[in-house]
Amino acid sequence: AAGVIQSPRHLIKEKRETATLKCYPIPRHDTVYWYQQGPGQDPQFLISFYEKMQSDKGSIPDRFSAQQFSDYHSELNMSSLELGDSALYFCASSLGRGANQPQHFGDGTRLSIL
Amino acid sequence: EDKVVQSPLSLVVHEGDTVTLNCSYEVTNFRSLLWYKQEKKAPTFLFMLTSSGIEKKSGRLSSILDKKELSSILNITATQTGDSAIYLCITGTYKYIFGTGTRLKVLA
Repeated sequence: AAGVIQSPRHLIKEKRETATLKCYPIPRHDTVYWYQQGPGQDPQFLISFYEKMQSDKGSIPDRFSAQQFSDYHSELNMSSLELGDSALYFCASSLGRGANQPQHFGDGTRLSIL
Repeated sequence: EDKVVQSPLSLVVHEGDTVTLNCSYEVTNFRSLLWYKQEKKAPTFLFMLTSSGIEKKSGRLSSILDKKELSSILNITATQTGDSAIYLCITGTYKYIFGTGTRLKVLA
């Protein structure tokens, strides 16, 4: 069965650069979630989209933005990168928003800031 | 502050043993509790629990929720080396609140 696809798997950037992470949800899933997991920390919710509209917002820095496109894939844009942005970024998708459907996770993008 | 606590943090058993993983939670707007298994890649979904006292079962794995005690357990019977993984307990609605996970290692 198709899973959530994230790209790239690994990304190395320098401070003050920009980065774009991509997420392709499971076919027919209309909701996408982004999480950030720092070293030794639990994943923290950043933002989610339902039917191409932002649905909920968590601890996403102002330097980051995201959107969901007409084909339901999502991109997380990160600017003015800082050392503290080094983390594993998970994307998840679900069919519908809310508590009734579990989220299915991608393998994550590991971002390293030098 | 919403939080999810899992115990034990780490567990080493031999094949054939039965294990019980614990999860307790404090959330302001509880809707469901989920268990995921994470090996080297993405967490994979195991169970979603919304009603207290109703056991969910899948093969050798089972889980039950106790809303009164704000807790859940995940049981694995007749463990196999392939069960070695991190087991995540998660609550939440649109955003997940993750527990720290229990790292299970099953020895042959």
